[in-house]
Amino acid sequence: GEDVEQSLFLSVREGDSSVINCTYTDSSSTYLYWYKQEPGAGLQLLTYIFSNMDMKQDQRLTVLLNKKDKHLSLRIADTQTGDSAIYFCAESSFTDKLIFGTGTRLQVFP
Amino acid sequence: NAGVTQTPKFQVLKTGQSMTLQCAQDMNHEYMSWYRQDPGMGLRLIHYSVGAGITDQGEVPNGYNVSRSTTEDFPLRLLSAAPSQTSVYFCASRPSGRSPQETQYFGPGTRLLVL
Repeated sequence: GEDVEQSLFLSVREGDSSVINCTYTDSSSTYLYWYKQEPGAGLQLLTYIFSNMDMKQDQRLTVLLNKKDKHLSLRIADTQTGDSAIYFCAESSFTDKLIFGTGTRLQVFP
Repeated sequence: NAGVTQTPKFQVLKTGQSMTLQCAQDMNHEYMSWYRQDPGMGLRLIHYSVGAGITDQGEVPNGYNVSRSTTEDFPLRLLSAAPSQTSVYFCASRPSGRSPQETQYFGPGTRLLVL
């Protein structure tokens, strides 16, 4: 079945870049998403990428997709303390269901 | 618009008790779903609905029932709570269709503790 994997923790200094990685197994994935969850809140969509794209940039966020290796990454430039949260990778195929990764907790320290 | 609302925010149950987690949305979305979030496991889909009167099972449906009598409401029922159902539950909704712009809107979550 589908599986989405992420590392659990990432710690970075304020102002540095953060890179959060994700791997998935479903070769029929059509869209891949990054969600952000702040403490005590639900999930918010940050960005998404269609499976025929390699890269997407949206302000401080850069998404890279290596479809051959089924590897997705989210780069946050100039990371701020407000970026501290859990980041979830998710994929969907033609079934419309979202399959989420385990989430990566990003901690930003001054 | 209030978006997706969930009640209660927090609940403690004893093993064997039943309860209903409420979810409502005022965006006229056709698609609604319930997830549970457990540490180190991400979000797992419990049940979903593509419209009023239609429901289907997700990854982890056992121990949960749902119904969708109206477009707005999608309650999740625990018939006989078990400690394994201790989790944070999220309801989500979105319009039908597969455009990524039609993203899922998540409620604030219900934290459930089963003793």
